[in-house]
Amino acid sequence: SQQGEEDPQALSIQEGENATMNCSYKTSINNLQWYRQNSGRGLVHLILIRSNEREKHSGRLRVTLDTSKKSSSLLITASRAADTASYFCATYDRDDKIIFGKGTRLHILP
Amino acid sequence: DTAVSQTPKYLVTQMGNDKSIKCEQNLGHDTMYWYKQDSKKFLKIMFSYNNKELIINETVPNRFSPKSPDKAHLNLHINSLELGDSAVYFCASSQRGGLAGNTIYFGEGSWLTVV
Repeated sequence: SQQGEEDPQALSIQEGENATMNCSYKTSINNLQWYRQNSGRGLVHLILIRSNEREKHSGRLRVTLDTSKKSSSLLITASRAADTASYFCATYDRDDKIIFGKGTRLHILP
Repeated sequence: DTAVSQTPKYLVTQMGNDKSIKCEQNLGHDTMYWYKQDSKKFLKIMFSYNNKELIINETVPNRFSPKSPDKAHLNLHINSLELGDSAVYFCASSQRGGLAGNTIYFGEGSWLTVV
């Protein structure tokens, strides 16, 4: 079953602008992770936020978690061309199996 | 050094053939996975092995058979390939204990095209 759902499916912004992606999930979680996938490559882990955390930063990335709404957001500030990629949220289900959302395709325009 | 490596990267083959994709990880992880990513980028887990033992086997046709000769290797063999098998197959690994938030490390993918 699908656990995480990203929104929007696709996003195009100008270089230098901020990009925000959202993820909604269905069941209770211990943690939520965000991954990036560049075209033609494998997924790369970006950041993890635990269920008792509300916000976490890593460089230009800011992740928020609202467990009451079962949602998370990923903010990329001052976007660069190299940020063009697909972004996935991931959670673990009750069988300890990680499940990925469908991803948000981010395109940074020059 | 590549952490998770899989071969081949590209594979074009005819319907009905049998093919294998090999995967190796040098991270010392206990758990390895195979994922399938379709043309819409949807990533779905197929199998998970922990210390050579199968722990997750999703609803996958039995034409797909994983084999783990040791905990650093997880190969995927596919019999009687069909057009619908065309996809990108990702091998991955992690320490066990997803609820603890272990990171999954992915290989670069194997692009399978069945013609």
